[in-house]
Amino acid sequence: GQQLNQSPQSMFIQEGEDVSMNCTSSSIFNTWLWYKQDPGEGPVLLIALYKAGELTSNGRLTAQFGITRKDSFLNISASIPSDVGIYFCAGLSMDSNYQLIWGAGTKLIIKP
Amino acid sequence: NAGVTQTPKFQVLKTGQSMTLQCAQDMNHEYMSWYRQDPGMGLRLIHYSVGAGITDQGEVPNGYNVSRSTTEDFPLRLLSAAPSQTSVYFCASSAYLGPYEQYFGPGTRLTVT
Repeated sequence: GQQLNQSPQSMFIQEGEDVSMNCTSSSIFNTWLWYKQDPGEGPVLLIALYKAGELTSNGRLTAQFGITRKDSFLNISASIPSDVGIYFCAGLSMDSNYQLIWGAGTKLIIKP
Repeated sequence: NAGVTQTPKFQVLKTGQSMTLQCAQDMNHEYMSWYRQDPGMGLRLIHYSVGAGITDQGEVPNGYNVSRSTTEDFPLRLLSAAPSQTSVYFCASSAYLGPYEQYFGPGTRLTVT
């Protein structure tokens, strides 16, 4: 089946640092979604992107829908302890037929 | 609004047993879905529904059944549990007729011995 490559797999950062992660696909996507999951909880939607080139912010988070429609990026500025968790990208392609394709996640850990 | 609720939160089954995982939403959403999450992997779609009376298979449907008799409820049945079905199961719903901007339940952690 289709796959998304999400990188990095994990990140160790200092509080206050900026964070970048991305997802790439071998096929063209119409929608990109970014979710965050805290331990023991379900994923929570952060940002939804529906148009190539779109840049959308949600507080300190900014996500972009790549021009090629095969990638998306999420940036977190000035990280704080509550940013810790697993970030997932998910996409919907023309072939998906209501089925989101999910990346494997980026685990964000803040160094003490 | 309670959002998306799932019961039970934890469950242990023996191989061969059957059970139903419950999911309900009070947001009048048409689209509902079931995912499983295994360590180090993204979520994988099991079944989904675009409205009452309509269900379809996702990426990993084998060993699971669903029905959608009401807009609110979308139960997932394990027919004959196997150790490979040990996982965390999430139910989600969306106001759109598709998996856009889904709200997720808190999950059911299932262990099959």
